[in-house]
Amino acid sequence: EAQVTQNPRYLITVTGKKLTVTCSQNMNHEYMSWYRQDPGLGLRQIYYSMNVEVTDKGDVPEGYKVSRKEKRNFPLILESPSPNQTSLYFCASSLYGPTNEQFFGPGTRLTVL
Amino acid sequence: AQSVTQLGSHVSVSEGALVLLRCNYSSSVPPYLFWYVQYPNQGLQLLLKYTSAATLVKGINGFEAEFKKSETSFHLTKPSAHMSDAAEYFCAVSERNGNQFYFGTGTSLTVIP
Repeated sequence: EAQVTQNPRYLITVTGKKLTVTCSQNMNHEYMSWYRQDPGLGLRQIYYSMNVEVTDKGDVPEGYKVSRKEKRNFPLILESPSPNQTSLYFCASSLYGPTNEQFFGPGTRLTVL
Repeated sequence: AQSVTQLGSHVSVSEGALVLLRCNYSSSVPPYLFWYVQYPNQGLQLLLKYTSAATLVKGINGFEAEFKKSETSFHLTKPSAHMSDAAEYFCAVSERNGNQFYFGTGTSLTVIP
C-alpha cells in the first residue's frame, strides 16, 4: 500500500531532551516536507527536500533540523525541544515538488513539558 | 512570501445546502492553488488544484473551485452538503518559481442534519 508513515504517533518529552520523528514513504517520491499544525495558524512548512541531500528551510525552521540521506526517509530532529514546539507534526511527500499532489502521514502529536 | 487568507474559521451549513468556503491569495503572479481536506484525526488529502488550465476546477466528492484572477480568489463550493463533508478545509498555494508551500489557517465545516 502506498503510504507515508511517521513514528512515533504520540510523544511527550521534556525541555532540552533531543528527539527524532521519523518519516518514510514507499512511493519513490522526490519531494518531502515537514509541517506543523497549530490551532488558528493552519499548517506551516518547517523544512522541505527536493531530493536526496537537498534540503531547504520553510517558513518556520528555527529549532529544527532535517536530513535526507535516502530517498524514502526524511527525519525531523529537535535537538533541544522547547514548550513552544508542542504541536501536531505532519510529514508529506509528492512526486516531484509541491505542485504535485502531496500525500500526508497520519501525524505526530508532540508535547514538550 | 505568499500568503493565503481564508475568511471564516468556522462555517455551518444545513445538510443539502450550498457549501461556500472562501480563499484569497496575495501574489500578483497567479500561483498554483490547492484545496486540501482534513477529516478528524487524519492527515490531509487533496480535493482539487488549479495549475492555469481551466479556471473552474472540479475535484473529488462533488467539490469544485473557481479561479478568479481579478479578485485573487479561489473559493471552494459544493451544491449540496452531505454529513460526511464535515471536516477542516485548507486552501494552499505554491509559487510558480518556488518550492515552498503555504497553507491558509483553515475553515472548519459543520453540517447540520
